[in-house]
Amino acid sequence: AQTVTQSQPEMSVQEAETVTLSCTYDTSESDYYLFWYKQPPSRQMILVIRQEAYKQQNATENRFSVNFQKAAKSFSLKISDSQLGDAAMYFCAYSPPGGGADGLTFGKGTHLIIQP
Amino acid sequence: DTGVSQDPRHKITKRGQNVTFRCDPISEHNRLYWYRQTLGQGPEFLTYFQNEAQLEKSRLLSDRFSAERPKGSFSTLEIQRTEQGDSAMYLCASSPRQVPYEQYFGPGTRLTVT
Repeated sequence: AQTVTQSQPEMSVQEAETVTLSCTYDTSESDYYLFWYKQPPSRQMILVIRQEAYKQQNATENRFSVNFQKAAKSFSLKISDSQLGDAAMYFCAYSPPGGGADGLTFGKGTHLIIQP
Repeated sequence: DTGVSQDPRHKITKRGQNVTFRCDPISEHNRLYWYRQTLGQGPEFLTYFQNEAQLEKSRLLSDRFSAERPKGSFSTLEIQRTEQGDSAMYLCASSPRQVPYEQYFGPGTRLTVT
């Protein structure tokens, strides 16, 4: 079974600074997908960024980028120029190829605090 | 595209009562997922539909839980004889045929069992 581990229960960053959230995973598959989801307080889960395991290039979406290290099974999220609206729970998630009948496997999340 | 919607948003019930939640996926998304999220945890997979067929159920889904997706459109999740341990956020997600691994979540139904 796949597992996803987020070792940072909480992170704090000053507004406009850069922060990196860590995620490691375990799988025996060679093809899979990794995601970062954002869950603001009392609001729904939003997909932030996606990485395909077969791609060597790290995904980037505006201020959000990932550092995908397949051999190390590591998938960190970097948020540049942090904004107050980035405050939320961030979940790392794994999906087997084709979506999979087991859904997404999530980590326990990292609570990101943005200090003004 | 109005997004995934869920109803009700909040439900308070007494232990032993039955509850039913509804999820309307994004139109034309053929896959629909149910998750449960307890405080301080990430969502945990419960069950999955491809069109109207329920293809997988987690071991978390005891026989008190049942889910349906008639005609491959909206889905319902019913919990019979609720227990205090059922208190959680129940999330629904859907994904399109073209990108099946990319799931879009609804706002969730928060269940409190007293």
